[in-house]
Amino acid sequence: QVLLVESGGGVVQPGRSLRLSCAASGFIFGDYAIHWVRQAPGRGLQWVAVISYDGRDKYYVDSVKGRFTISRDDSRNRVYLQMNSLRPEDTAVYYCAKRDYGAGSIDYWGQGTLVTVSS
Amino acid sequence: DIQMTQSPSSLSASVGDRVTITCRASQSIRNDLAWYQQKRGKAPKRLIYAASTLHSGVPSRFSGSGSGTEFTLTISALQPEDFATYYCLQHSSYPQTFGQGTKLEIK
Repeated sequence: QVLLVESGGGVVQPGRSLRLSCAASGFIFGDYAIHWVRQAPGRGLQWVAVISYDGRDKYYVDSVKGRFTISRDDSRNRVYLQMNSLRPEDTAVYYCAKRDYGAGSIDYWGQGTLVTVSS
Repeated sequence: DIQMTQSPSSLSASVGDRVTITCRASQSIRNDLAWYQQKRGKAPKRLIYAASTLHSGVPSRFSGSGSGTEFTLTISALQPEDFATYYCLQHSSYPQTFGQGTKLEIK
């Protein structure tokens, strides 16, 4: 079955960096785009970024452009989210999620990793 | 960016009730809409994709309809396990955007 496991979350000071990792299994990783979606405590879902199946196309929400970078390593079945210049408003649970090739929407999600930006 | 307006933000209902949640898009998104259910402390799960297609394994009491700018999620007869928060997601263009969520509570 599809399995997505995030790691790398933690407590970090404002202005510092953190890299999240998403390990995937149960599907042909190189055939699918992968998203990052976040959820601030007590708030709704916010789409953050996506990387295409071949890594050529990347899109970001405006609030993270220039600070976050999404990448993938198909040899390790992993997607990464490099987060620089972190702000308190980046505090959230970060989910990685797989794109449904046919329908286009997200079909499966990981369990999430919590990032807390605080001094 | 496409704005998704979801209503109501909260809803109180009883087991066996029929409930409807609505999402409106700020411009046409064809049928590029999905619905998700999220329980407290858990990751979301997809219920509906392409506006009206049931995700594998989802009970048939869930249904979706709409196209263009107006979409609905209907639960025909609420079960205890359905009390959760529901979100719509448009994936017609980037950035993808979610509705604000509807918290479905037991009356």
